Amino acid sequence: QKEVEQNSGPLSVPEGAIASLNCTYSDRGSQSFFWYRQYSGKSPELIMFIYSNGDKEDGRFTAQLNKASQYVSLLIRDSQPSDSATYLCAVNRATGNQFYFGTGTSLTVIP
Amino acid sequence: GAGVSQSPSNKVTEKGKDVELRCDPISGHTALYWYRQSLGQGLEFLIYFQGNSAPDKSGLPSDRFSAERTGGSVSTLTIQRTQQEDSAVYLCASSLWGGLSGYTFGSGTRLTVV
Repeated sequence: QKEVEQNSGPLSVPEGAIASLNCTYSDRGSQSFFWYRQYSGKSPELIMFIYSNGDKEDGRFTAQLNKASQYVSLLIRDSQPSDSATYLCAVNRATGNQFYFGTGTSLTVIP
Repeated sequence: GAGVSQSPSNKVTEKGKDVELRCDPISGHTALYWYRQSLGQGLEFLIYFQGNSAPDKSGLPSDRFSAERTGGSVSTLTIQRTQQEDSAVYLCASSLWGGLSGYTFGSGTRLTVV
């Protein structure tokens, strides 16, 4: 079983819609959860992190964490063509350790 | 520095040669990580440094791969006797201790073994 699993997509949404990206993780003791965006040919950049159950909002982005279900998601409201990228979910089992990355979900926002 | 700096940005080498990849982390970041990403693939963990020590080397794919970090700053990833399957983008990231605020990645070194 992979540490972190994501639907590879591609996921296509029309401009202005809500894009929903999902991620599950295997280690119930995982402590912190991250979403990275990676444009083609570029390195990943951090969008958001979340530690506690519930929602965390930052502008058009909302991260949602459900530790009981071992599930973390990213919602992008009012999707823009510039949001088209691969979104990587990352999980940190314990402070000071490496992150485990999913293989990413490719998102295309259609103008 | 202001960001994580990696050099070279591109490297083409012949099979069997050794290569060295360099990473200069953000000043003050005690943790440094090496990952690699093959075309269309996810991020594969290689090694993690906390200061100059490497508590987790579990991701190094073979004994041809080694890494060191000196002065709690610059790190070098060395690949000996390169093989074609080593071709990938090698990404370095750094963070404050514990990585609680996430990593900052460098722009990567694209390694092509011909």
